[in-house]
Amino acid sequence: DTEVTQTPKHLVMGMTNKKSLKCEQHMGHRAMYWYKQKAKKPPELMFVYSYEKLSINESVPSRFSPECPNSSLLNLHLHALQPEDSALYLCASSQGRQSSYNEQFFGPGTRLTVL
Amino acid sequence: GIQVEQSPPDLILQEGANSTLRCNFSDSVNNLQWFHQNPWGQLINLFYIPSGTKQNGRLSATTVATERYSLLYISSSQTTDSGVYFCAVFSVMIKAAGNKLTFGGGTRVLVKP
Repeated sequence: DTEVTQTPKHLVMGMTNKKSLKCEQHMGHRAMYWYKQKAKKPPELMFVYSYEKLSINESVPSRFSPECPNSSLLNLHLHALQPEDSALYLCASSQGRQSSYNEQFFGPGTRLTVL
Repeated sequence: GIQVEQSPPDLILQEGANSTLRCNFSDSVNNLQWFHQNPWGQLINLFYIPSGTKQNGRLSATTVATERYSLLYISSSQTTDSGVYFCAVFSVMIKAAGNKLTFGGGTRVLVKP
């Protein structure tokens, strides 16, 4: 099974709301990722968790707060977002740095609209 | 950081035609993946191909790591092949920190019936 699931599929929120995006994988992967994709652009890395620890933060604003409660789950907490944060948010996973096989598998994404 | 360039940016094909997409990268890589992004945004894994040649049905890919490029071949194209094709790489230099995948700009493919 190479499935990564994400919820919700769509999210509309106001600039004062707090919401969370969820990502789950059951492939035993130990690296998980958040990417942001604007329309007609490639995905851009936001965060990497390696063995449940944050290993890369690509200078993402603090209104985005990642969390990795366990090796299967990854959350992205959203607070006080701006309309320009509207995008497709993609979660991915891979085996992790201890493995030489590093293929990343992506979830279907959450399409976020900030009003 | 590593630069990834894809060409052409746009491609219009008649159903049944063959095509080649190219991905150039600026530094040594430890991993290269090809994805197809469908109209709903799902990134579908096509190939994990740090070097060599692989085939999967009508698709095949070749990576020449020493010359820093990869090619994706689509044969006998179908309308369902429409979408955006991305190549993505990560560098050996930051492997220890987690696998930072850098994407090319994509090739937008439209296959007409």
